[in-house]
Amino acid sequence: GDSVTQTEGQVALSEEDFLTIHCNYSASGYPTLFWYVQYPGEGPQLLFRASRDKEKGSSRGFEATYDKGTTSFHLRKASVQESDSAVYYCALSDNYQLIWGSGTKLIIKP
Amino acid sequence: EAAVTQSPRNKVAVTGGKVTLSCNQTNNHNNMYWYRQDTGHGLRLIHYSYGAGSTEKGDIPDGYKASRPSQENFSLILELATPSQTSVYFCASGGGGPNTGQLYFGEGSKLTVL
Repeated sequence: GDSVTQTEGQVALSEEDFLTIHCNYSASGYPTLFWYVQYPGEGPQLLFRASRDKEKGSSRGFEATYDKGTTSFHLRKASVQESDSAVYYCALSDNYQLIWGSGTKLIIKP
Repeated sequence: EAAVTQSPRNKVAVTGGKVTLSCNQTNNHNNMYWYRQDTGHGLRLIHYSYGAGSTEKGDIPDGYKASRPSQENFSLILELATPSQTSVYFCASGGGGPNTGQLYFGEGSKLTVL
């Protein structure tokens, strides 16, 4: 079946560091790919989505590019801030269901 | 602004008791979902619905029932609560077809079963 793999369970960075969170997927066809963010005490909220190969999604300084060749949708941000502390989920949809990755907790070191 | 409201936000129940978690959405979405979230397990789908009167089993339905009496409301029912059901529960709504996966979540209901 379809699956989403996030290799980092936790990432600890200092403010202004560059962020990469890796997301790889396994699915047939062209699933839609998503990044969700969950702040403490809140439900997840959609960061952005991408539906086609080479499409870039972006929001709030975060971006990811749909790469069918490497089956990846890695999340990047050039300069993280303390307010980015959250759990980030990669997910895919095949128009029938949403498959979630295990989540990556981003910690911003003081 | 899409809105999903859950109640209660916090609940303490006794083992063997009945618990009902309620969810209301004003997005006019056909699809609604109940997830639970535990440390180390991320989000796991319990039940979902495609519309009023329909409920479907998700990945971990055992010990839970669901009810969708209207487009707006979707309830999760624990007939005999157990300590293993202590968790944070999230309700979400979303469209279907090409918008499947674009979900709007409530703020969560924290359930503690003693």
